[in-house]
Order: sequence, then structure tokens, then C-alpha cells
Amino acid sequence: DAGVIQSPRHEVTEMGQEVTLRCKPISGHDYLFWYRQTMMRGLELLIYFNNNVPIDDSGMPEDRFSAKMPNASFSTLKIQPSEPRDSAVYFCASSNSYEQYFGPGTRLTVT
Amino acid sequence: ELKVEQNPLFLSMQEGKNYTIYCNYSTTSDRLYWYRQDPGKSLESLFVLLSNGAVKQEGRLMASLDTKARLSTLHITAAVHDLSATYFCAVDFGNEKLTFGTGTRLTIIP
Repeated sequence: DAGVIQSPRHEVTEMGQEVTLRCKPISGHDYLFWYRQTMMRGLELLIYFNNNVPIDDSGMPEDRFSAKMPNASFSTLKIQPSEPRDSAVYFCASSNSYEQYFGPGTRLTVT
Repeated sequence: ELKVEQNPLFLSMQEGKNYTIYCNYSTTSDRLYWYRQDPGKSLESLFVLLSNGAVKQEGRLMASLDTKARLSTLHITAAVHDLSATYFCAVDFGNEKLTFGTGTRLTIIP
């Protein structure tokens, strides 16, 4: 298996633009997690899904953030409109209920 | 509140020395994880500890879990340079969510 796949790996955008981050989990994993990592706040869980259903989105910072999982092999995290304080590394992880495996991350810079 | 605390936050040690990183957590759990992160990279799973008294070893790293004390340790034996990284512990408090510690940035000095 190729592991968790994320795209793009780097994204630079201007404030106010829409940003969409993509994730393909490991086949057979029924949990998918979106995290954000910054120097100031560390690693934060934004939202997670079980069997494509959002279970807990309490970590989503505000309404500008939304996440979907239309099927077992694809998820998106969207920020609209983006702001400079959204600059961070966004990780997707998937789990088989035993262990979480992290993707390579998307480094987002909002100018 | 669900909290996971690691110490130290920064650790600089010489090659060949031994040291321990500590991970305390706030409430009952018997599922604890250790991850490694190299600069600019993703998180790599090191150990999964699922019961009181669990001990796992991989090379120069050994992790243990004491659920009664709500404490896990990551012990480094005879450190070598390629162990330099940031180490995170993470706790599952029963809902499949992981709460991460702040991380320990380990630097091994030749």
C-alpha cells in the first residue's frame, strides 16, 4: 500500500482565496482524521470521520473550514476564505482502530 | 480536561548517553502511542502501548506504560545522532481521537 496520500504537498495562496486539501486514506481503514500543526499550537485535531461520517468536528476553528468524505477513499478539507493565520501544515491520517498512519502533509502558506 | 504533558520539551544530549522522556496524561486510558517527527516530515509511528505494564523495544528505544500512574516513558539507550528528532506521545481517551503531547525535541550531539 502507498500509505496515506495527500495533495498538494505545498500550497501558496493569497488571503481570501479558497483552498482545498485532498486526502486518500489507506485502503480498508475506516477512520480518517484531519490535523493542523503550527509552532504555536502544536498538533491539533480538526475533524474525524468513521465510515465516511463526520464524528467530531469540535476542532474545526470556524465556519471558514469545512470537510467532506464522499466515499471511503477520498476526503477534502476546504478553507474559504483563507486567512494568513491559516498558514500551517495540514496532516491527514487514517486508522484501522489500532494505529493512526499519517500522510506526508500539505504545507499551506496564505499571504 | 483531557491533557497530555511531555517533558522535557527540549533535550540535548551527547552520543552514547542514556536518557528518558516522560509523558503524563490527565485521565484513565490504556492506549498510548509514541511518534517520531523529523524536521519538515510527517509523523512516524514508533510504538503502540495497549495495556498496563506494556513494554516495547526497537533498537535503542524502549517505551513503557503505567496506566495506574498515567505515565509513559520513552527511554533512549546509548544515543546516536540519527535519533535526533521530535518525539510525541499521544493518548486515546476512549473515542478513537488522539490527544498529543507538546513534543520533545531531541538533539544528539556528536
